[in-house]
Amino acid sequence: NAGVTQTPKFQVLKTGQSMTLQCAQDMNHEYMSWYRQDPGMGLRLIHYSVGAGITDQGEVPNGYNVSRSTTEDFPLRLLSAAPSQTSVYFCASRSQPSSYNEQFFGPGTRLTVL
Amino acid sequence: GNSVTQMEGPVTLSEEAFLTINCTYTATGYPSLFWYVQYPGEGLQLLLKATKADDKGSNKGFEATYRKETTSFHLEKGSVQVSDSAVYFCALSDTGGSNYKLTFGKGTLLTVNP
Repeated sequence: NAGVTQTPKFQVLKTGQSMTLQCAQDMNHEYMSWYRQDPGMGLRLIHYSVGAGITDQGEVPNGYNVSRSTTEDFPLRLLSAAPSQTSVYFCASRSQPSSYNEQFFGPGTRLTVL
Repeated sequence: GNSVTQMEGPVTLSEEAFLTINCTYTATGYPSLFWYVQYPGEGLQLLLKATKADDKGSNKGFEATYRKETTSFHLEKGSVQVSDSAVYFCALSDTGGSNYKLTFGKGTLLTVNP
């Protein structure tokens, strides 16, 4: 199993550009989520999905869109990049709903918006 | 709502020193508690967990005990190594409708010097 994979690893954008961060998992997990990690802020939940076709907002959803057409993939779209979106982005997945199941993280995408 | 508070870092120790990283939580239900570790340039990975009161999670010489009476889950290690240098996150997952979600503390950076 590859686990949770993310592409790209690094990306530089100009203000106003759009892009999609890719995330895939091969563990047949129902739950997938996107976080951003900023210094002193810990991990903040952007969007999450509890299954194909079902998504919902987290703490900091503004400026980001998601969709979940398959169990495996959960892309994160930046519609019009802003410098405030410079961050490290982590995708994660988790198996069937249970409070004690482990959440698996991808290696992250480091995004810089100029 | 749910929240996790962990001691602010950074923490700097010499090799073979004793480590404690404090973590307290607020939850509405009966949460499971986790410690995740993030090594430089990588994603988060599960270090240990405990799913009910008085459980002790342990892994790689690290331990944490779920204390319901003090709502705490402090991380300890008797003798740290340089390779333990990383960021440590305390997290909880509550029961009930939002049991998919993990709530994270802000992370504690540990540096171990030889």
